[in-house]
Formats: sequence, structure tokens, C-alpha cells
Amino acid sequence: EAGVVQSPRYKIIEKKQPVAFWCNPISGHNTLYWYLQNLGQGPELLIRYENEEAVDDSQLPKDRFSAERLKGVDSTLKIQPAELGDSAVYLCASSLRFSGELFFGEGSRLTVL
Amino acid sequence: GQQVMQIPQYQHVQEGEDFTTYCNSSTTLSNIQWYKQRPGGHPVFLIQLVKSGEVKKQKRLTFQFGEAKKNSSLHITATQTTDVGTYFCANRGSARQLTFGSGTQLTVLP
Repeated sequence: EAGVVQSPRYKIIEKKQPVAFWCNPISGHNTLYWYLQNLGQGPELLIRYENEEAVDDSQLPKDRFSAERLKGVDSTLKIQPAELGDSAVYLCASSLRFSGELFFGEGSRLTVL
Repeated sequence: GQQVMQIPQYQHVQEGEDFTTYCNSSTTLSNIQWYKQRPGGHPVFLIQLVKSGEVKKQKRLTFQFGEAKKNSSLHITATQTTDVGTYFCANRGSARQLTFGSGTQLTVLP
């Protein structure tokens, strides 16, 4: 069974440019998460979806970040415009149910110059 | 979500020595999950603890949940170089979001 797939793995952009990350969760997993991980720190939740509904986006900086999960499967996280401080690894995870274990993708490493 | 504090932040051990990381909270935790992240990798689920005083073992790894459900620990017996990585505890609070601790980075010297 395929795991959580994320793309791109690496992205280097200049500040003020837009960037988008894509995530395909494990088949059948209704819950999808986007986390941000800075070097040497634990993952920080940005947004959680239950099917296509964003049920927890309190930590998402809505002035520049947006996310969508159309049809309750794949998800896209967008940053526009990117700032230097956005350099981090963006992790997507999915779980079969909200209380279960999380399966993480390999992450998308963003570098903003 | 509820904040969980992990100590130590870093730990260097000689191969064969034991290792313990602690996860503490000022409030009662609903449950605790533990994850391992290898250098350059992504977090991988190890175990979930739900019951007060619960102890679970996975080969050389022993996980404990405190009686008051305010702390948890992960103990590795006789570390090996394959144990290298960062170990995170994570708590699913009342808001149902999973909040991660800052992690303990383990280095095993051969």
C-alpha cells in the first residue's frame, strides 16, 4: 500500500513569490493534516481536515496561507506571498480516524531566499 | 492544544547504554503518542498510551504513562546505532488536535 505522497520534495523560491505543496493521503484516510516543522523543533499543526471540511485551521496564517481539500482526497497548501520566515519543512499526514496514529509523508522542504 | 515539555533536548550515549526521554504536562493528558524521526526523515508512529499507569514494550523500547496522566516516558535498553533520531511525544487534547513536544535528539556513539 502506498504511503502519504507529497510533492515537491524541495522548493527554492525568492521572497514574495507564491508556492504550492500537494499531498495525496493514504487511500481511505478521512483525516488529513498539514504540519510545519522548523529545524530542531516538533511539528506544528497548520490545518486539519475531516473529509473535505477544515475542522481546525486556528494556527493557519490566513493572510498568506491557504489550503484546500477538494473531494476529500488530495490537498494543496499554498503560500502567497512567501516570506523568509516561511523556510521550513511542510509535512502532510493522514489518519484513518481522528484519534488514530498519523502517517506522515516525506515532507516538502521550502527555502525562501 | 495542551503543551507538552520534553527533556532532555539532546542526549549522547555510547552504544549499549540505556536512554530515557520524558514528556511532561501541567495538565492531565488524554492520551500520548510517541514518534521517531530519523535524520532527514519524517516522523514515524511508535505507540499510543491511553490508560493511567499503562506500560507497553516493543523489544528494547519501554513506554510508560504516568498514574496521574501528566507525564510519559520512553526508555531504550542497550541502545544501538539504529536508534539514532529524534523522539517526539504528542498529545491529543480536548480540541482533538495532536500537539507535539519539542523532541529529544538521540545520538548513539559506536
